[in-house]
Amino acid sequence: DTGVSQDPRHKITKRGQNVTFRCDPISEHNRLYWYRQTLGQGPEFLTYFQNEAQLEKSRLLSDRFSAERPKGSFSTLEIQRTEQGDSAMYLCASSPPSGSETQYFGPGTRLLVL
Amino acid sequence: QKEVEQNSGPLSVPEGAIASLNCTYSDRGSQSFFWYRQYSGKSPELIMSIYSNGDKEDGRFTAQLNKASQYVSLLIRDSQPSDSATYLCAGWTFRSGYALNFGKGTSLLVTP
Repeated sequence: DTGVSQDPRHKITKRGQNVTFRCDPISEHNRLYWYRQTLGQGPEFLTYFQNEAQLEKSRLLSDRFSAERPKGSFSTLEIQRTEQGDSAMYLCASSPPSGSETQYFGPGTRLLVL
Repeated sequence: QKEVEQNSGPLSVPEGAIASLNCTYSDRGSQSFFWYRQYSGKSPELIMSIYSNGDKEDGRFTAQLNKASQYVSLLIRDSQPSDSATYLCAGWTFRSGYALNFGKGTSLLVTP
């Protein structure tokens, strides 16, 4: 299967701890997105990478959040000093280089902050 | 007001019937629309995209776009219990940058 993959699939952490999630996009997709989804809501955009460049960040992305895509392939999303409000599903999506805005989602990482 | 609005439902239809899911949007500059299906606890799965006014059919699914009225709909023919899920409508516009703007989703229940 060559779809978007994410790791870990589930993460339970204590408030104040740091967590890091990884996303591997579909091969040859140079565009990568991070979203956050809470119960009963649609996904909310966090940040966007085109190759290794982070071109857009949402105001939702506080200074405790940082994302990287160092070689233009996989990406990581780190949350520092987690808070209970960070509990959510973190979704990664990717798009091909063409003009289509179609985004394909990975399975997500479900974060629970105790 | 969210840019993309959906009735949260639940919408209940009997097996074999047509399910009609609707979505309205506020940004007239929106150019592309997407329907995703999301099963409980899973991630969104792309069903269809639509860019032009009119209908687009793919198997049992038909997406409809009316830019003058600013609404998008998804019709599911011959609904099956396996279609029971939350359906997310998403729109894209240059003004949204690279993000898709999602509605909250409509919960569909297909009863046997």
